[in-house]
Amino acid sequence: QKEVEQNSGPLSVPEGAIASLNCTYSDRVSQSFFWYRQYSGKSPELIMSIYSNGDKEDGRFTAQLNKASQYVSLLIRDSQPSDSATYLCAVNAGAGNEKLTFGTGTRLTIIP
Amino acid sequence: GAGVSQSPSNKVTEKGKDVELRCDPISGHTALYWYRQSLGQGLEFLIYFQGNSAPDKSGLPSDRFSAERTGGSVSTLTIQRTQQEDSAVYLCASSPGTHVAMFGQGTRLTVV
Repeated sequence: QKEVEQNSGPLSVPEGAIASLNCTYSDRVSQSFFWYRQYSGKSPELIMSIYSNGDKEDGRFTAQLNKASQYVSLLIRDSQPSDSATYLCAVNAGAGNEKLTFGTGTRLTIIP
Repeated sequence: GAGVSQSPSNKVTEKGKDVELRCDPISGHTALYWYRQSLGQGLEFLIYFQGNSAPDKSGLPSDRFSAERTGGSVSTLTIQRTQQEDSAVYLCASSPGTHVAMFGQGTRLTVV
């Protein structure tokens, strides 16, 4: 089992709809969770971080964390064509291990 | 500088040659990561530096790969006797210690 798993997609969502991206992780001691956006040919950029169970909202983005079920998700409301990118989930092992482990990413396409 | 700087941005080398990739982290960031990303793939962890602690080298794929970080700042990733499978984008990221990693633009390495 991979440490961090994501559906590779591609995920196609109509413009204006909600895009839902999911990520599961295997290490129960993980403490920090991140979503990065990567446009084609560019480096990843951080868009959300979440550390506690529940929801965290930032503009059109909402991150959701459920440590008991070991999943973290990202919701993008009012999807725009500019949201088309690959979204990478990253997990920090915690407990003194600062290594960030990334999933393989989900490719999201917003259809105008 | 304002961001993580990597050089060169592109490197073409002949199989069997050694290469050095450089990373200048954001000033004051104590943590530094190296990842590589092959075409269409996720981020593969290579090595992690945190302050004066011993680096986490668990991701280095072979003994041909090594990295150092001088003075807690600039880092160099060295690949000896390059092979074609080493071709990838090598990404450096730095963090102020709060796990929030900011990436440089990467070095695209092509081994011919």
